[in-house]
Amino acid sequence: DARVTQTPRHKVTEMGQEVTMRCQPILGHNTVFWYRQTMMQGLELLAYFRNRAPLDDSGMPKDRFSAEMPDATLATLKIQPSEPRDSAVYFCASGQSLASSYGYTFGSGTRLTVV
Amino acid sequence: LAKTTQPISMDSYEGQEVNITCSHNNIATNDYITWYQQFPSQGPRFIIQGYKTKVTNEVASLFIPADRKSSTLSLPRVSLSDTAVYYCLVGSGDKIIFGKGTRLHILP
Repeated sequence: DARVTQTPRHKVTEMGQEVTMRCQPILGHNTVFWYRQTMMQGLELLAYFRNRAPLDDSGMPKDRFSAEMPDATLATLKIQPSEPRDSAVYFCASGQSLASSYGYTFGSGTRLTVV
Repeated sequence: LAKTTQPISMDSYEGQEVNITCSHNNIATNDYITWYQQFPSQGPRFIIQGYKTKVTNEVASLFIPADRKSSTLSLPRVSLSDTAVYYCLVGSGDKIIFGKGTRLHILP
């Protein structure tokens, strides 16, 4: 089965440090999402791209978060500077379109802990 | 995006059929109904999607009445491994927004 690959799986960092999370979407998928999940807030949509162009990043704290797709095989989510409240699991997902019978495929996530 | 309402949690027993109902009174004409499943420490996994009537795949069935204001996910003969959070989503564009989901707990 094709997979969405996220790296790293786990990241512990100190407050104030830069964190970069990477995602390799499934080949041929033109839509890529970044979500954040915490116990309190559940799954929150941070940003998404279509054909590498950012369509919506309204869920992302603009002052410290940035999301990019340098090419079709890589999406990145960067936090600078990181804060303890950024501790969460960050998921990347890719797909073709909502109307597809196969939905979107999620990666296994990056568990970020900021101390 | 249509707002969805589903039970916060449900318990059932192994071997039973489980039905989880989702209300979406403001569903738009172009909206699809999609269900995802999430196990602990994993990303959500697509289960099933439908527009109207009934859809069935190897995992579940999705029942949608004619007015489309609700939908029911049916899991036949559940096992302990079906313990997970189930999300109902409604929309027609690329953007998908998750609610709180239904935490399903299967008991032996």
